[in-house]
Amino acid sequence: DGGITQSPKYLFRKEGQNVTLSCEQNLNHDAMYWYRQDPGQGLRLIYYSQIVNDFQKGDIAEGYSVSREKKESFPLTVTSAQKNPTAFYLCASSKDGTFNTEAFFGQGTRLTVV
Amino acid sequence: GQQLNQSPQSMFIQEGEDVSMNCTSSSIFNTWLWYKQDPGEGPVLLIALYKAGELTSNGRLTAQFGITRKDSFLNISASIPSDVGIYFCAGQLRGGSNYKLTFGKGTLLTVNP
Repeated sequence: DGGITQSPKYLFRKEGQNVTLSCEQNLNHDAMYWYRQDPGQGLRLIYYSQIVNDFQKGDIAEGYSVSREKKESFPLTVTSAQKNPTAFYLCASSKDGTFNTEAFFGQGTRLTVV
Repeated sequence: GQQLNQSPQSMFIQEGEDVSMNCTSSSIFNTWLWYKQDPGEGPVLLIALYKAGELTSNGRLTAQFGITRKDSFLNISASIPSDVGIYFCAGQLRGGSNYKLTFGKGTLLTVNP
């Protein structure tokens, strides 16, 4: 089945450690996105990528890093510089980043830093 | 940056009632999207609107793109228990490098059987 797969579903890390969240899509979409969701908040954009080997910072990029080496994959690294990393992280993709903007989401990864 | 105000923040209704929620923006959009999110899951796209004044239905759901391009509403008719969840609006103004989606904070819907 076509879709977006995020893994793992739940992730626990010690404070000060970097952690990488996986996002894979087989929809042949060009654009991919990472959002952060906190209770009572909307979705806030961390990073987005319109095309392979290119990505831009979103509204809350500090303390995060991404790569887009393959069309299907857009991993997110939460670094130790992120001051409040515990959150629900959502990956999304769309056919392209300009005119076909219907974004489809993965199941999310809940990161807890202790 | 662009801001979306989504209201109400939460709703408690009885099964069978109709529901209405809306989003307003401080600036214009040329795309409005409505999503539903179940607890612990990713949002699922319900309706996409691309034209000012457009009225689109998806089963018991109806959404409209406001004429001013600064607002949109979502109606749910004859609610059922599985309608429970958080509903998000998202808007986008396409142009140049500015094409990211801006999300509202969501409307939490509770349906009492």
